[in-house]
Amino acid sequence: GQQVMQIPQYQHVQEGEDFTTYCNSSTTLSNIQWYKQRPGGHPVFLIQLVKSGEVKKQKRLTFQFGEAKKNSSLHITATQTTDVGTYFCAGPIIQGAQKLVFGQGTRLTINP
Amino acid sequence: DGGITQSPKYLFRKEGQNVTLSCEQNLNHDAMYWYRQDPGQGLRLIYYSQIVNDFQKGDIAEGYSVSREKKESFPLTVTSAQKNPTAFYLCASSISGRIYNEQFFGPGTRLTVL
Repeated sequence: GQQVMQIPQYQHVQEGEDFTTYCNSSTTLSNIQWYKQRPGGHPVFLIQLVKSGEVKKQKRLTFQFGEAKKNSSLHITATQTTDVGTYFCAGPIIQGAQKLVFGQGTRLTINP
Repeated sequence: DGGITQSPKYLFRKEGQNVTLSCEQNLNHDAMYWYRQDPGQGLRLIYYSQIVNDFQKGDIAEGYSVSREKKESFPLTVTSAQKNPTAFYLCASSISGRIYNEQFFGPGTRLTVL
């Protein structure tokens, strides 16, 4: 079945360093969503990318959707302790379906 | 105050007992979802419902059952047939079941089966 793979599984950085997580799909995605889950919390929607090659920014966070719409990335510039958590990407299982498949997530920890 | 509520936050049950997890939303959303999250894992879809009185199986529906009698409620029953029920259960909703809609998650219920 369709899979959404996310790497790395864990990332530990010093505060102020940059961080990137990558998401790869076995098939073309119509859209991709990103969520953040703080430790002990629940996932919260961050952003959605729909267009091929799309780049969106939210302050220090930059999201990209690949030209082939099979991969995506989230880059955080100059991490802060508030960035701690697990970042998930999610895409529809098949084109036009209402079900999302989530990547395994990248858990980010930060040394202050 | 709009949102999704799940109760209880922590739940303990003995092996062999059925247990029902509550999920209520006052966002007037049509679609609702149940996910299971295991430590260090992503979210796996158990069941979803796009409209009242209708629901579909997700990827790991075996051992679970749901109902959607009211728009705002989507309870999940974990039956004794579920082989490994201890997990963190998350309920979510979206405006509709269309793929472009973001999902809003409840705080989750952590189920431990002893």
